[in-house]
Amino acid sequence: DTAVSQTPKYLVTQMGNDKSIKCEQNLGHDTMYWYKQDSKKFLKIMFSYNNKELIINETVPNRFSPKSPDKAHLNLHINSLELGDSAVYFCASSQAGPWTDTQYFGPGTRLTVL
Amino acid sequence: KNEVEQSPQNLTAQEGEFITINCSYSVGISALHWLQQHPGGGIVSLFMLSSGKKKHGRLIATINIQEKHSSLHITASHPRDSAVYICAVISNYQLIWGAGTKLIIKP
Repeated sequence: DTAVSQTPKYLVTQMGNDKSIKCEQNLGHDTMYWYKQDSKKFLKIMFSYNNKELIINETVPNRFSPKSPDKAHLNLHINSLELGDSAVYFCASSQAGPWTDTQYFGPGTRLTVL
Repeated sequence: KNEVEQSPQNLTAQEGEFITINCSYSVGISALHWLQQHPGGGIVSLFMLSSGKKKHGRLIATINIQEKHSSLHITASHPRDSAVYICAVISNYQLIWGAGTKLIIKP
């Protein structure tokens, strides 16, 4: 069984569109994260939720809005997509947190904005 | 200078060799992660440690808090170990990532 799953795995879209990436974890973890991996392979934290509450919100454009309907799900909605949004986005979860426990990562979603 | 430095950036070795990847950091930390990213992009968390040493199969991770240094060792390396290995430290409730070490193990 997949522990942390993301959909879709690949997303190709035009500039200006609105898109969502979904993340689900079946580990019973309390904390979930969204990371962006840029072309240089650096991973940057974007958001973190603990029990459906936003606890970390790094400097990310307002076009990015996370939504956590329950503690097993953390979705990422992006409005008015721009070329610079092209990247791989990783979802992760941890039992405790943030930053106090091993994080389990999803397979990533490769977003390409044309 | 980055707060988390890894060395080497790239490493190519023959199957069976003992591999060491180093991570040095300049900030106070509460813990350190080692992660593995395969060519397909998936990331796997290998270890989280705050002191001493941990072992899982052929992988060993050590950390020296006083020296602000951690090492990841792979014994009896195998081509399937080829991946990018990332060190990340937890400091002031932030996760600070190293640039990664690209490891290639040749058969």
